[in-house]
Amino acid sequence: SAVISQKPSRDICQRGTSLTIQCQVDSQVTMMFWYRQQPGQSLTLIATANQGSEATYESGFVIDKFPISRPNLTFSTLTVSNMSPEDSSIYLCSVQPRPGETQYFGPGTRLLVL
Amino acid sequence: KQEVTQIPAALSVPEGENLVLNCSFTDSAIYNLQWFRQDPGKGLTSLLLIQSSQREQTSGRLNASLDKSSGRSTLYIAASQPGDSATYLCAEAGGGADGLTFGKGTHLIIQP
Repeated sequence: SAVISQKPSRDICQRGTSLTIQCQVDSQVTMMFWYRQQPGQSLTLIATANQGSEATYESGFVIDKFPISRPNLTFSTLTVSNMSPEDSSIYLCSVQPRPGETQYFGPGTRLLVL
Repeated sequence: KQEVTQIPAALSVPEGENLVLNCSFTDSAIYNLQWFRQDPGKGLTSLLLIQSSQREQTSGRLNASLDKSSGRSTLYIAASQPGDSATYLCAEAGGGADGLTFGKGTHLIIQP
C-alpha cells in the first residue's frame, strides 16, 4: 500500500483567487491522478499527472484552469485557478505504485469558494 | 465515454444479513475493476481489485466477482455488521495506467 497526504485538508477561498493543493506519497509511484468529487456526487477524473511532462487532461478539464505539476515520483500539485463557487468540491489525489495495481487515495482537500 | 452504474443507490438491512451490491460497466475492454468504501467526510479505502482475467477476489467477509462478457461485477458482503455502513463505490480502468471511471455508489446502512 501507499500512505498519501494532502495539504491543505480544507480551505475557504474567495472567488477569483487560486489555490494550490499538494499531494505527497511515502514511496515512489509510477502513476498519480487527480479527481474531483462535487457535493453529493461520485468521483470524476481530472487528469493524470505525468512525471517530467505535461499532465494528461480528461474531457471538460483544461490546463489553464487546473495546472498540474509532478516534479518527481512522490509529489504532485494541483492548482484550481480563478475559482468560482462551482469549484467547491473535494479534490483527491490517487497513486498507483505500478501499472495495473490498486489505486490508493489521499484523504482529500475540501474546498469551499465564496 | 465509458459509464459505470451501481444498483441500488441506497440499501438498509438488519445486522447479520448477507447482501449483494451490483455494478455494471460499458467498457468491453475493461482492464480491471476496483471496489472502494467511503465513510462520511473521509477518503476512499480500497477493498478489492479484480483484473479482467480473474473471476473473483475475496478478502475476509467480502467477495467480488467480475463477468466481463456481461459487463457486471458484484460485491458480496457476508454477515453484515453496523461497521459496514458506508458508501460503496465501484470503478473501472480501461488500461493498466489509466485513471478510474466511478459509479455513483451504493449508500449502505446496516441496522443494529
